[in-house]
Amino acid sequence: AQKVTQAQTEISVVEKEDVTLDCVYETRDTTYYLFWYKQPPSGELVFLIRRNSFDEQNEISGRYSWNFQKSTSSFNFTITASQVVDSAVYFCASTIGGATNKLIFGTGTLLAVQP
Amino acid sequence: DTAVSQTPKYLVTQMGNDKSIKCEQNLGHDTMYWYKQDSKKFLKIMFSYNNKELIINETVPNRFSPKSPDKAHLNLHINSLELGDSAVYFCASSQDPVIYGYTFGSGTRLTVV
Repeated sequence: AQKVTQAQTEISVVEKEDVTLDCVYETRDTTYYLFWYKQPPSGELVFLIRRNSFDEQNEISGRYSWNFQKSTSSFNFTITASQVVDSAVYFCASTIGGATNKLIFGTGTLLAVQP
Repeated sequence: DTAVSQTPKYLVTQMGNDKSIKCEQNLGHDTMYWYKQDSKKFLKIMFSYNNKELIINETVPNRFSPKSPDKAHLNLHINSLELGDSAVYFCASSQDPVIYGYTFGSGTRLTVV
């Protein structure tokens, strides 16, 4: 089965702590794309990053970084020096069946950053 | 100048009613989608249209009928609403999800009482 698993349902940290959100995917496809989205309390879904299956380079954007490892089928997301504004539900997603116009989502990880 | 706009933002209605949710995007994207987010935050695709043509139709009750009058609009009509239809419905659009991902609307929270 093709699916995305986010085993952590909720994480609570104190401001300035680093936190890693885990994402494990299963796919039969040789070419696929992985995404992270953020859903803050206001409810909208915000695109954060896209990574294709041929590019295993890690990426850093400010306090955010992503670690893609095909050997473990993981695409983990780390927030460094977390802030209260990072509090949100974070979704990992994958394209499925080579049809890149369709995403399947993990169940999300609720991150609560306490001041 | 909202990129993907959905109306209404909130919708409360009684069982058995028929309701519609509208979605419009001003990004010039060819593909639009409807996703359903249940109470546990699980997001699942319902439909996808590319340039007014239906390309994805997941296992959704036929009480749900999408309509795309043009590529900038994708509306969702729901007949005979049931309690289990209560959810947040997200519209999204994309020109190339590989490069840009999706752009989502802000969601419509539907509550069936």
